[in-house]
This record gives sequence, C-alpha cells and structure tokens, in this order.
Amino acid sequence: NAGVMQNPRHLVRRRGQEARLRCSPMKGHSHVYWYRQLPEEGLKFMVYLQKENIIDESGMPKERFSAEFPKEGPSILRIQQVVRGDSAAYFCASSLGTGNEKLFFGSGTQLSVL
Amino acid sequence: DAKTTQPTSMDCAEGRAANLPCNHSTISGNEYVYWYRQIHSQGPQYIIHGLKNNETNEMASLIITEDRKSSTLILPHATLRDTAVYYCIVSVPNAGGTSYGKLTFGQGTILTVHP
Repeated sequence: NAGVMQNPRHLVRRRGQEARLRCSPMKGHSHVYWYRQLPEEGLKFMVYLQKENIIDESGMPKERFSAEFPKEGPSILRIQQVVRGDSAAYFCASSLGTGNEKLFFGSGTQLSVL
Repeated sequence: DAKTTQPTSMDCAEGRAANLPCNHSTISGNEYVYWYRQIHSQGPQYIIHGLKNNETNEMASLIITEDRKSSTLILPHATLRDTAVYYCIVSVPNAGGTSYGKLTFGQGTILTVHP
C-alpha cells in the first residue's frame, strides 16, 4: 500500500512564475491536508480538503494560493506569481476522516524561488 | 488548541529508554494528545495519541498524568534512527465531536541519540 505521494520532490521557480504541487493520498483516504514549513520554522496548517470540497482554509494566504482536490486525480496546491518568501517545504497529509485519527504525511515538495 | 511546552533538546544513549516530557496544563477534557516526529528533511511521522489512558504501540508508549496536564513519550530502546524532532500536540475536536487533522506544531524537542 503506497504512502502519500508528493511530486515533484524539488521545484525551482523564478519570481512571478506559477508553482503547482501535487499530492496523491494513501489508498482509501479521502481527506487531504497541506502544511508549509518555512526555513527554521515549524509546520503550519494551510488547508483541509475532502473530495471536491474545501473544509478549512484558515491557514491559506489570502492571495496567490489556492488548493483543490478533484473527484478524480491528485490534490493540487497552486501558487501564482511566486515570491522569494514562498520558498519552503510543502507537506501533504491524508487521513481516513473518521475523526481523532492519525495523519500520514508525504515526503514533501521543496520549493525554491530564485 | 491548548498550548504545549517541551524541552528544546534532549540526549539519549543508544539502547536506553528516551523519555520525552510535554506540559499541556490548559488542556480541555475533549482534547487528545498526539505525538509526531520529523526526521531531517522528511515528512512528519505519526507516533501515538491518547485521551486519558496510557497507550502503547510498536513504536512507543504514552503516559498521561491523571490530571492530563502533562504527558511523557517513551521510546523504550532508542536507536540512532530515532534522532529527530519530536512534537507534542493537543488537538481539539470539531463541532461534531471528532478531530480532524488541523494540528498546531510547536518547536518540538530535538532528540539526539548517540552511540
């Protein structure tokens, strides 16, 4: 049973470009979370999605960031017009969604903005 | 979510038990205690969680005090691969009475296991 798959593992973008980060949850999991870890800082919750629905996006920056989890395919975290401050490790996690359960995290995407 | 307090760093000899403390004095009755760890450059890994009873699994044991204001994660026989940042997190259920994965990670404890 494959774990949470994230790609790419490393992504380099120039300022102003778009970044698309993909996350495939564990088999059978329909709940996806995105977290961001800035250099030398802790992990911060960004968004919680279920299939085709955003449940909690309280941690998402108001502009340039969006997330989706379509009926078919992986979850996508999209960052438009990237700036240097967006450079961070972005982790995706999934869960069964039964409540009080553990999260399974992927290996992350390291985004570097030049 | 209730705040947690952990020591910044700890050392442990390989083969010995590692006991990682966590204070959560403002924890509410319906909040669970979770432990995760993050090995350098990897995604966090779930270790264990509990509400008020002590818990044990293949990785660790979780001891929660009777007043639930503190807990201890025990790695019974630490190995070099257990060197990581360990996070103690308390998670509040949502309105439906269950908890989803909106976790507040603090700075954690850097555990170094040495030969």
